[in-house]
Formats: sequence, C-alpha cells, structure tokens
Amino acid sequence: AQSVTQLGSHVSVSEGALVLLRCNYSSSVPPYLFWYVQYPNQGLQLLLKYTTGATLVKGINGFEAEFKKSETSFHLTKPSAHMSDAAEYFCAVSRNYGQNFVFGPGTRLSVLP
Amino acid sequence: DADVTQTPRNRITKTGKRIMLECSQTKGHDRMYWYRQDPGLGLRLIYYSFDVKDINKGEISDGYSVSRQAQAKFSLSLESAIPNQTALYFCATSRDGELFFGEGSRLTVL
Repeated sequence: AQSVTQLGSHVSVSEGALVLLRCNYSSSVPPYLFWYVQYPNQGLQLLLKYTTGATLVKGINGFEAEFKKSETSFHLTKPSAHMSDAAEYFCAVSRNYGQNFVFGPGTRLSVLP
Repeated sequence: DADVTQTPRNRITKTGKRIMLECSQTKGHDRMYWYRQDPGLGLRLIYYSFDVKDINKGEISDGYSVSRQAQAKFSLSLESAIPNQTALYFCATSRDGELFFGEGSRLTVL
C-alpha cells in the first residue's frame, strides 16, 4: 500500500524567506505525485503535479517541486514567501494516473511579517 | 458559481440521526469522490464512483453509504451518525489525473 509522509505538521517562515515543505512517499512503482493547497474555509486546489518527464515541476504562485526517485521525495519549494502563501499544503500520490489518490497528513504554513 | 457544489456547508446533528450530504458538479466529469478530512490525518477516501453504475468503497467506508443519482450528482449518507464522524467532508471530481474539490461540508455530531 502506498503512504505519504510530510515532515512537520506546522512550518513558520518569515515573509521573503525560502519555503521548503517536505514530502516522502512509499511506493513499489514510480507514482504520480501532486501538491495541493487549502486556503482557509476552502477546498483543495492543485499547485502542481509530476507525471513523467522533467523531474523539476513548476506550479502556480511561484511554487516548484522536484521528484527524486532515489530519495522517494517530492519536496515543495518557493524562493520567497508571501503572506498570501499561508495555507495548508498536502502532498498526494497516485499509483494509477487518476485513480487511488493517497494524501499525506498536511503541513500548515504560517508566514510571519 | 463553483464547479463542484456541496450542501449543506455546515450541519450540526445528534447521535443516531440520518444525515445526507449532497454534491453536484457542472464539470462533466465521470469520476466523483467523497473524502473526509481530520486534523493531522489528511484526507481519507470514503467512496468513489467512476460512472453512474460504478460505486466503490474507499479506505473508510464503514458507517457511510453513497448514491450516484446522475453523472452530476453524488450524495453521501450517514445512516446513524456518531460523534466520531464529526469532520470536514469533501466531494471531488477528477479528470486527467487532477482532483477538483468542493468547498467542504462541516459536520458536527453531538
């Protein structure tokens, strides 16, 4: 069975600082990987996804993530945090594209002025 | 207007009551899902449906049932609600590997 771990249930950064949210997965086959963001009182929306090809994936709002097969990781980064980035971030995997999404527990990002 | 609409957005009920959460979508997607969100646990899959005649149990289906009334409608029922079903429930559709979520239904069972 697939599983997803996200190191740190809560991460705080200063405005303008680097954002790094960690995601590791366990899968017997190369998975499809996703990052979703949830703003307060809203549903989740897709930030970015890795399917095949280039391992560095760019998403919306300046976020990007790199798939590292040897480390079974898909960490999310943004060079400079903005106050509007404060939200909860979920990493997810899917072994069969479009099916059986498994979500991590989430990381709440706070951005300090 | 939202592409995936959930009703009600908030509901408080008592133990033993029957509750239905409704989901409708205008995206034209065949695949629909019900997830439950609990703090520290992420989202867990309750049921999913790949078309009107296809209903599948997810990770945590016990205590829940669903009905796919049409391509656009997928409802979740709690036949006899219990306090540990207090959670935030999300309906979602998918196409091309991406999930599209509603805004959630917050259910409190007293």
